[in-house]
Amino acid sequence: QLHLQASGPGLVKPSETLSLTCTVSGGSISSSSYYWGWIRQPPGKGLEWIGSIYYTGSTYYNPSLKSRVTISVDTSKNQFSLKLNSVTAADTAVYYCARHSEYTSSFDYWGQGALVTVSS
Amino acid sequence: QSALTQPPSASGSPGQSVTISCTGTSSDVGGYNFVSWYQQHPGKAPKLMIYEVSKRPSGVPDRFSGSKSGNTASLTVSGLQAEDEADYYCSSYAGSNNYVFGTGTKVTVL
Repeated sequence: QLHLQASGPGLVKPSETLSLTCTVSGGSISSSSYYWGWIRQPPGKGLEWIGSIYYTGSTYYNPSLKSRVTISVDTSKNQFSLKLNSVTAADTAVYYCARHSEYTSSFDYWGQGALVTVSS
Repeated sequence: QSALTQPPSASGSPGQSVTISCTGTSSDVGGYNFVSWYQQHPGKAPKLMIYEVSKRPSGVPDRFSGSKSGNTASLTVSGLQAEDEADYYCSSYAGSNNYVFGTGTKVTVL
């Protein structure tokens, strides 16, 4: 059974960089036909796709966040990571990592989520 | 890209049916048969319930069904049960490897 676990600092200061890592177990991040993505959910609000990466390193970002986001992959560790720079209070959210299929475009496996608060 | 529009809330009594709409544009919902639906209980990660407009993953009860007409997709939950009370989100492929989620609907079982 595939398992995704997001981890990283729970508190980030304004203007700094948010960094999270998603560790994949029970399957290979190098599986063809699957992308690995980040989705966030501000407290009490809806879901927002941040971006996705293929194991080859190809990345796709939400146009509204593209200037601040970097997603990378480390196939040797079966991990992918998110960096969001110049954060503000509006970036406070639960950040989920998830797998999505190239063919169905649906997010079929999700991590448990990591709450990141932006505050001084 | 703008979030897909969903009604904030929907409700029904046990055993009844509830239908949730998800309205987008011809650039997302209307342009691709890649609409999916997610169920989210409080404090939990979303769970895939429907993909490719109307397909159910293994393990999802057949009480859940999906459809699409033009720029609007719909999720119907038949035979409502207490455990169906949750937030539901639609999502659509929006071209150029972009994805957009809906605003979310809180389903209450009366």
